[in-house]
Amino acid sequence: EAQVTQNPRYLITVTGKKLTVTCSQNMNHEYMSWYRQDPGLGLRQIYYSMNVEVTDKGDVPEGYKVSRKEKRNFPLILESPSPNQTSLYFCASSFGKNYEQYFGPGTRLTVT
Amino acid sequence: GENVEQHPSTLSVQEGDSAVIKCTYSDSASNYFPWYKQELGKGPQLIIDIRSNVGEKKDQRIAVTLNKTAKHFSLHITETQPEDSAVYFCAAMKTSYDKVIFGPGTSLSVIP
Repeated sequence: EAQVTQNPRYLITVTGKKLTVTCSQNMNHEYMSWYRQDPGLGLRQIYYSMNVEVTDKGDVPEGYKVSRKEKRNFPLILESPSPNQTSLYFCASSFGKNYEQYFGPGTRLTVT
Repeated sequence: GENVEQHPSTLSVQEGDSAVIKCTYSDSASNYFPWYKQELGKGPQLIIDIRSNVGEKKDQRIAVTLNKTAKHFSLHITETQPEDSAVYFCAAMKTSYDKVIFGPGTSLSVIP
């Protein structure tokens, strides 16, 4: 089954404790992206990747890191999480930037 | 950069009525306009998209219209059903720009 998976689905952590949210797709997509969703603000792009070893900042990259060592995986790293990073996070993938994006089920992160 | 506005933020309709959601974009070079539906607890899913070389596209009860001169596009849902209740997001993209800009979303409620 074609899908985007994210782990964990729910995470509660404390300020400053490094964490990684994994994202994997099995559709051989080149374009992958991370979004955060906050009430009233919709979906905002954090980082995206056009292909392996090619990543770039979206609209809200501060406090986040990503890597794309393999085509199928695109982990999101929070080196020192803060409470303002409490949000619902989605990973997405597509054949290219101007094509349908397939979204993962989301990761709800709470930073206390 | 691109900016996408979306109205209304919430919309309630009676089952069987039509629903219209409107988006405006700022960059006249944008050429791809997808619409995503997000059901509760799930990631967004593409329902219809339109490219700038056409003015209207229809898929059963869903249609999208694009007015490039006015820089706005609209989602039309006819004969609404309770399962249409969800949050809808529009987005605007252009070939020469790698980021994806979403509107803030519209929460649609269809009352049986």
